[in-house]
Amino acid sequence: DAGITQSPRHKVTETGTPVTLRCHQTENHRYMYWYRQDPGHGLRLIHYSYGVKDTDKGEVSDGYSVSRSKTEDFLLTLESATSSQTSVYFCAISAGTGNTEAFFGQGTRLTVV
Amino acid sequence: EDQVTQSPEALRLQEGESSSLNCSYTVSGLRGLFWYRQDPGKGPEFLFTLYSAGEEKEKERLKATLTKKESFLHITAPKPEDSATYLCAVQESTSPPKLSFGAGTTVTVRA
Repeated sequence: DAGITQSPRHKVTETGTPVTLRCHQTENHRYMYWYRQDPGHGLRLIHYSYGVKDTDKGEVSDGYSVSRSKTEDFLLTLESATSSQTSVYFCAISAGTGNTEAFFGQGTRLTVV
Repeated sequence: EDQVTQSPEALRLQEGESSSLNCSYTVSGLRGLFWYRQDPGKGPEFLFTLYSAGEEKEKERLKATLTKKESFLHITAPKPEDSATYLCAVQESTSPPKLSFGAGTTVTVRA
């Protein structure tokens, strides 16, 4: 497995509460991504980072924010969780040069009740 | 507008019955096309990258091919352990290296 750790692996939270998911890598890869996976939609990009403090939006970024203060950590925050954000969240990393394939973490299952 | 469309959505095979999965894509310029395997409750596992039309990659019973509009993942003489969801993704040459995924094909191989 690529050195990617997501935490927590499972979380149940109430509507309106803030939630932060963490992705930690040990590969020193430049690019990090947050995706969500829902039945019928496949994997959709939320936000990505191309360096420390450098981030950009993906296709489903509304309601989410991210931060990357160190190369190895990429945080995803739901400022005020809604039921529509119930999903499985995956972090991915990529070197971004040469072989550009991305490697994925094991996922975080988030349920908003 | 969907960039990546996979078909069929689901495929049930008998052990040893070879078949193919399709991934059609529409991008202005292709940097790479990627195939992943995903088992239930796990993250996607990288299989192949294809960069140009005519390219082929093989791994055990899997073979991926690429044309200018689509890619095929051929499964030869599948075994039950090949049961998984297979995901296709594209990376555009004009954008940062981010992947756009299809919805996947779920393959079930019966013994």
